[in-house]
Amino acid sequence: NAGVTQTPKFQVLKTGQSMTLQCAQDMNHNSMYWYRQDPGMGLRLIYYSASEGTTDKGEVPNGYNVSRLNKREFSLRLESAAPSQTSVYFCACTQGSAKLFFGSGTQLSVL
Amino acid sequence: EDKVVQSPLSLVVHEGDTVTLNCSYEVTNFRSLLWYKQEKKAPTFLFMLTSSGIEKKSGRLSSILDKKELFSILNITATQTGDSAIYLCASGGGKGYQKVTFGTGTKLQVIP
Repeated sequence: NAGVTQTPKFQVLKTGQSMTLQCAQDMNHNSMYWYRQDPGMGLRLIYYSASEGTTDKGEVPNGYNVSRLNKREFSLRLESAAPSQTSVYFCACTQGSAKLFFGSGTQLSVL
Repeated sequence: EDKVVQSPLSLVVHEGDTVTLNCSYEVTNFRSLLWYKQEKKAPTFLFMLTSSGIEKKSGRLSSILDKKELFSILNITATQTGDSAIYLCASGGGKGYQKVTFGTGTKLQVIP
């Protein structure tokens, strides 16, 4: 029982490159989230999906797109990476409450 | 805009001290207030509070919510070096009642 799986764990990009962060959960939860964490900034919500087929912007959506592919998978895409997107990215899921279950994170560096 | 504010931002204490961490919130469609502990990787869940005045306890940690004044506190008694971590406060609510907003965290360092 893996819980929430994020790939990749580490990534280095050059400015302007694109990439997709993958997240999959086997907990059968309806809601999924993408956060970024920067030093001193806590966790900031990028996008969330309350249920399959819906997505909503969080606090810092600019520069990102998301796809809720099915109930299990929620991907985050950077179309043209910028150094300001250097961060640790966490995917999370939950079923009907704010008690989130997190993936192990993706450390992204944009040079 | 939904907002969760934590104080202090950082704290250094000696083993055995008692600490109080604060969290205030302004969240539409508020449903719950949660505390998480983050050491090296992903946050781990500590407490979820939905009703005012009911204290949640787990060993040396306890938390309480005041829905009238829109704040919560997390107390840690007899601190140990293993309590060193970032403590995150989060609020559930927002649009569709499914938005989870985090504060910036309080970094606690416990020194021997």
